[in-house]
Amino acid sequence: NAGVMQNPRHLVRRRGQEARLRCSPMKGHSHVYWYRQLPEEGLKFMVYLQKENIIDESGMPKERFSAEFPKEGPSILRIQQVVRGDSAAYFCASSLTKGLAGPETQYFGPGTRLLVL
Amino acid sequence: AQTVTQSQPEMSVQEAETVTLSCTYDTSESDYYLFWYKQPPSRQMILVIRQEAYKQQNATENRFSVNFQKAAKSFSLKISDSQLGDAAMYFCAYRGMRGGSEKLVFGKGTKLTVNP
Repeated sequence: NAGVMQNPRHLVRRRGQEARLRCSPMKGHSHVYWYRQLPEEGLKFMVYLQKENIIDESGMPKERFSAEFPKEGPSILRIQQVVRGDSAAYFCASSLTKGLAGPETQYFGPGTRLLVL
Repeated sequence: AQTVTQSQPEMSVQEAETVTLSCTYDTSESDYYLFWYKQPPSRQMILVIRQEAYKQQNATENRFSVNFQKAAKSFSLKISDSQLGDAAMYFCAYRGMRGGSEKLVFGKGTKLTVNP
């Protein structure tokens, strides 16, 4: 069973360009989460999605950032007009459908390292 | 809002010895989950161990065990018989059970060095 897949693993963009980060959850997982890790910091929650729905975007910056998880295909985190402060590692995690016991464990992908020049 | 604090930015241990990493958290909820994740130099986030707050028994996974003190809001990780491959950043994380969101709240991490 393949784990969570993220691509690209490394992404370099110039200021003002767009960055698109992709995440394919583990097979059978319908919940996707995006986190951002700045250098020397822990991970910070950005957004939680289920298929075709954004459930919680309380950690997303109000401007330039958007996320989607379409019915078919991977989840996409999109950053428009990138700035140097967007340089970070972006991690995607997935979990199974919420069960009777409550939230399921999140399994993480390898991350995408974004560098903005 | 929930917060997670890891008061030890760095720790070191001799190979084959035991080390304990500290974690405290703040919450007003009574039901929640706690996790320890490991992030080696590859930066992949790997789940080490998980604890449900309603369970009194401390979780154990091979050489990894936790000391969960609910009243003190403490969740420390003990690594026994440390191995060189245990060297990594270790993150403590909290996850509530209310509100429809299941986001993880992470501490800032503890860097563990294992000396041969």
